[in-house]
Amino acid sequence: GQNIDQPTEMTATEGAIVQINCTYQTSGFNGLFWYQQHAGEAPTFLSYNVLDGLEEKGRFSSFLSRSKGYSYLLLKELQMKDSASYLCAVSNQAGTALIFGKGTTLSVSS
Amino acid sequence: SQTIHQWPATLVQPVGSPLSLECTVEGTSNPNLYWYRQAAGRGLQLLFYSVGIGQISSEVPQNLSASRPQDRQFILSSKKLLLSDSGFYLCAWSPPGGGIYIQYFGAGTRLSVL
Repeated sequence: GQNIDQPTEMTATEGAIVQINCTYQTSGFNGLFWYQQHAGEAPTFLSYNVLDGLEEKGRFSSFLSRSKGYSYLLLKELQMKDSASYLCAVSNQAGTALIFGKGTTLSVSS
Repeated sequence: SQTIHQWPATLVQPVGSPLSLECTVEGTSNPNLYWYRQAAGRGLQLLFYSVGIGQISSEVPQNLSASRPQDRQFILSSKKLLLSDSGFYLCAWSPPGGGIYIQYFGAGTRLSVL
């Protein structure tokens, strides 16, 4: 079967650092993706990992451990506009489909 | 640059009525195209994907269908809507060929079936 788990909700304060975890069990793997989705809007692509390790893009970093079926998204210097849902998704072996988790709703307060 | 257009933005339809949602992509050729549904409290569910004109793969059996009449046009249809068809429908595209398939989403259609 295919399963992707993320925490449902997280809260943090402005300027802080938050780590959103994602564990997955899928048949086939061709990359792990993170998307941001503000309420009522479409998801926007943040980052992806194919190989183990850390990928850094500005205030956002994503980590992958394929042997553990584990990834996290790290958000630094949190801003109010970072309040959104963060979706973890795994690409199947053929790269033809993304399997999404239910998303983690992050609330940033001042 | 590539852009993806999806319409309408919102739609209210009675149970049993037909449905047609359209998605078009500009600035690329032979994209992979996808239809997703996001129901309240649930994750994005892949409904259909297409790697070329007339080539449709269905991921979830339901009363919906998809067609790709032109290279950059993807249509989601239903002959008779059910209450359970309500949700946020998203079209997405990714570049053709091999490699990492980053998918880019349209603005979505919020469908309410009453």
